[in-house]
Parts: sequence; C-alpha cells; structure tokens
Amino acid sequence: NAGVTQTPKFQVLKTGQSMTLQCAQDMNHEYMSWYRQDPGMGLRLIHYSVGAGITDQGEVPNGYNVSRSTTEDFPLRLLSAAPSQTSVYFCASSYGFTSGPEQFFGPGTRLTVL
Amino acid sequence: TQLLEQSPQFLSIQEGENLTVYCNSSSVFSSLQWYRQEPGEGPVLLVTVVTGGEVKKLKRLTFQFGDARKDSSLHITAAQPGDTGLYLCAGDRGSTLGRLYFGRGTQLTVWP
Repeated sequence: NAGVTQTPKFQVLKTGQSMTLQCAQDMNHEYMSWYRQDPGMGLRLIHYSVGAGITDQGEVPNGYNVSRSTTEDFPLRLLSAAPSQTSVYFCASSYGFTSGPEQFFGPGTRLTVL
Repeated sequence: TQLLEQSPQFLSIQEGENLTVYCNSSSVFSSLQWYRQEPGEGPVLLVTVVTGGEVKKLKRLTFQFGDARKDSSLHITAAQPGDTGLYLCAGDRGSTLGRLYFGRGTQLTVWP
C-alpha cells in the first residue's frame, strides 16, 4: 500500500492563480480531510468528506473548494490564491467511525503564494 | 477558540531529562490521540486513549487520559535526541464521523 499520497510536494503561485492539490489513498478509507499547518497554529481543518459525494466545511474553508467523486481521491482547489494561503497542506484519511478516527497523513504540500 | 490547549508550546531539554506535555479542554472527548511530526513529514499516530483514567505506555512514553475525558498528558522518561519533534494532541468528540480537533502542538528539542 502506498498509503496517502499528495502531489505536488512544493508549489509556488502568484496571487490570483488557481491550482489543485491532489490527494489519493489506497486503503479504502471512508473519511478524508484537508488541513493547513501554519507555525504555532497546529493543524486547522479546511474541508472533510465522510464518503464519495459527501463533503463539508471545516474551520477555515474560505478560498478552497473540494469534491469527492471516488473513495480514493480528494482534491483541494484554490480558486484565486492569496498570500494568506501560504502554508503546508496535509491530506489525511481514516476508516471512520467503525474503526476509530485514527488518521493517516500524507507527506504534505508546501505552498508559497507570492 | 482552540478546543484543545496544549502546553508548553516549546520545550528544550538535555538528554536524560524527563518531561510532561499537557493537553487540556473544557469539552468531553470520546477519545484522544497523540501524534508526532518530524520536519518535512506528516504527523504519525503514537497512541489513542479512549477510557477515562486510561494509561498507556509506549517504551519511554506514558500517555494518560483524564478521568473526565477532558484532558490528557504525555510523559517522556529519560528523553533522547530521537524524541525531538512536534507533538500534537487531537480529540474526537464523537459527533461528526471521523473529525478530529487538534491542539497547536508542543515543539520538543532534546539536546545531546
């Protein structure tokens, strides 16, 4: 199993550009989520999904969109990048309620918005 | 408002010392987890505690869940440089499938 994979690992954008961060998992997990990590702030939830076709907002959803068309993939779209979105982004997945909420994290995408 | 408050935010100690990291809340959690994160990587689960008063040991690491399931602690005995990293606590409130609430983390540095 590859676990949770994220691409790209690094990205530099200009203000106003859009892009999609990719996330995939091969563990057949129901639950997937996106976090951003900023110094001293821990992990803040952006969006999450409890299954294909179902998504919901976390605590910092503004400026981001998600969709979940398959169990495996959960892309995060930045609609119009802003410097405040400079951060490290982590995708995570878990079995969900039936096996406990332990989350498996990808290696992260480091995004810089100029 | 942070649901889980972690303290201290930074900890710098010498090899061989003991330390405790705290994770506190006014809310009750169904379970509480501790993760460790190394530079350039995602967090990795260390332990999950689910029962009030539960104590779990992982080699030199001891995790405790408060009796009221509102707080937890991580104690490291005889810290080693390999323990260096960011320690994150995360709580599950049981109300939303799979959602975790993270503390801000404790950055631990152990000097040889």
